[in-house]
Amino acid sequence: DTAVSQTPKYLVTQMGNDKSIKCEQNLGHDTMYWYKQDSKKFLKIMFSYNNKELIINETVPNRFSPKSPDKAHLNLHINSLELGDSAVYFCASSYPGQGAGEAFFGQGTRLTVV
Amino acid sequence: DQQVKQNSPSLSVQEGRISILNCDYTNSMFDYFLWYKKYPAEGPTFLISISSIKDKNEDGRFTVFLNKSAKHLSLHIVPSQPGDSAVYFCTKNQGGKLIFGQGTELSVKP
Repeated sequence: DTAVSQTPKYLVTQMGNDKSIKCEQNLGHDTMYWYKQDSKKFLKIMFSYNNKELIINETVPNRFSPKSPDKAHLNLHINSLELGDSAVYFCASSYPGQGAGEAFFGQGTRLTVV
Repeated sequence: DQQVKQNSPSLSVQEGRISILNCDYTNSMFDYFLWYKKYPAEGPTFLISISSIKDKNEDGRFTVFLNKSAKHLSLHIVPSQPGDSAVYFCTKNQGGKLIFGQGTELSVKP
C-alpha cells in the first residue's frame, strides 16, 4: 500500500517535447513537494504546495509548472524539454508543522532527455 | 551556497562496528535536522531527527549528536549491518523546506 506514488518511474523523451509526471499521496498530508536530484546527486526542492496553494517556488524555469487538483495530488508538467532537465524527480508529502516535519518520498521518476 | 555539507562522499565499515557519518552546516537557523537513508532506485526514507534544542537523540541502533557551537552533527550506527549499506543524507528543516547535504554512501562489509 504505497504512501506516495509517482508515475512513470522512467521517462525517456526527445528535446523539445512536453511531458508530465504524476504524484499521489494517501497519507492525508496537507503539503506536497517536488524535488530534483541532479547528476551530482544533489537533492533540491523545486516546489511546495499546501492545500493546493503554491508555497515555495525555488527559481525553477517557468517551463516547469506544477498543478495540484486536490491536496492528494501534485503533478509536474515540463514544456520544451532540454538536455539539462535530465535528472531524477521526487515527489514528497508531509505535515510540515508536525514533529520534525519529515517528508515521505515517492520512488522517483528518472527523466532522460535525448 | 551549500548550507549543509557532508564532506565524506563514501564510508566503508566492517559489519558489527560503528559507522559515524558527519555533517556540517553554515546557517544556524533551523528547527530540526533529519537524516534520510536512500537505496538505489528508491526515494529517501526518514531515519531519525534531532531538534535544535537537543544535543542527542537515540533510536535503537541509531544516534544523532548535535554540536551547535561547532555547527556539526553526526549519525552513529552501532552495530552496523550489511542492510545499512545505502546513501545517507543529512537534511535541515528550515521553515518547512528540507535542505539536503550531498550524501555519504555507506558500505557495510560482512
